[in-house]
Amino acid sequence: GEDVEQSLFLSVREGDSSVINCTYTDSSSTYLYWYKQEPGAGLQLLTYIFSNMDMKQDQRLTVLLNKKDKHLSLRIADTQTGDSAIYFCAQANPPGGSYIPTFGRGTSLIVHP
Amino acid sequence: ETGVTQTPRHLVMGMTNKKSLKCEQHLGHNAMYWYKQSAKKPLELMFVYNFKEQTENNSVPSRFSPECPNSSHLFLHLHTLQPEDSALYLCASSQEAGGPINEQYFGPGTRLTVT
Repeated sequence: GEDVEQSLFLSVREGDSSVINCTYTDSSSTYLYWYKQEPGAGLQLLTYIFSNMDMKQDQRLTVLLNKKDKHLSLRIADTQTGDSAIYFCAQANPPGGSYIPTFGRGTSLIVHP
Repeated sequence: ETGVTQTPRHLVMGMTNKKSLKCEQHLGHNAMYWYKQSAKKPLELMFVYNFKEQTENNSVPSRFSPECPNSSHLFLHLHTLQPEDSALYLCASSQEAGGPINEQYFGPGTRLTVT
């Protein structure tokens, strides 16, 4: 299987919350990232979380980490049409392992009115 | 605008052509990366340069040849490509490979079509 797995699509109504899920295989992952890719653009780092944390909040974004289940989620509150994009989960495990993130396939978030 | 530019944005080439992709970063970073993004596949790391030295070659076929003349510029030279090489090629940079967070800044990509 792949190192980082995500569902490919998520459709939500404007104003609702979106929850994008990710599972990873490497239990030694120390950094977990969420990147966003808007149409016609490259990836942009949204947020990251260290493996010794279980939650991080940044304005409308909440990241939850369940290290036991190797599960990461990104919650977007009050989802707007401008949030429509592809969201990539990624993990890295320095200093003992690779510092370069391993990415999932990306989840396409579609926000409809 | 992330500070990483890529040219051309779109490229169509035949299997016998030779072309080059260019990436430039204006962020003062020391590490640069090439990634391949294919539909519905994980982002694939191809090459990493740190302080102009190649530190990773992720088993990339020799028809892809990278060049990093300085920390601000990265090229990907292409020759005798196959149709399955059609993809979005993304360039990224970071402060240095191996940094604690290693936040990567991505360019918009070059959409390559091999006919």
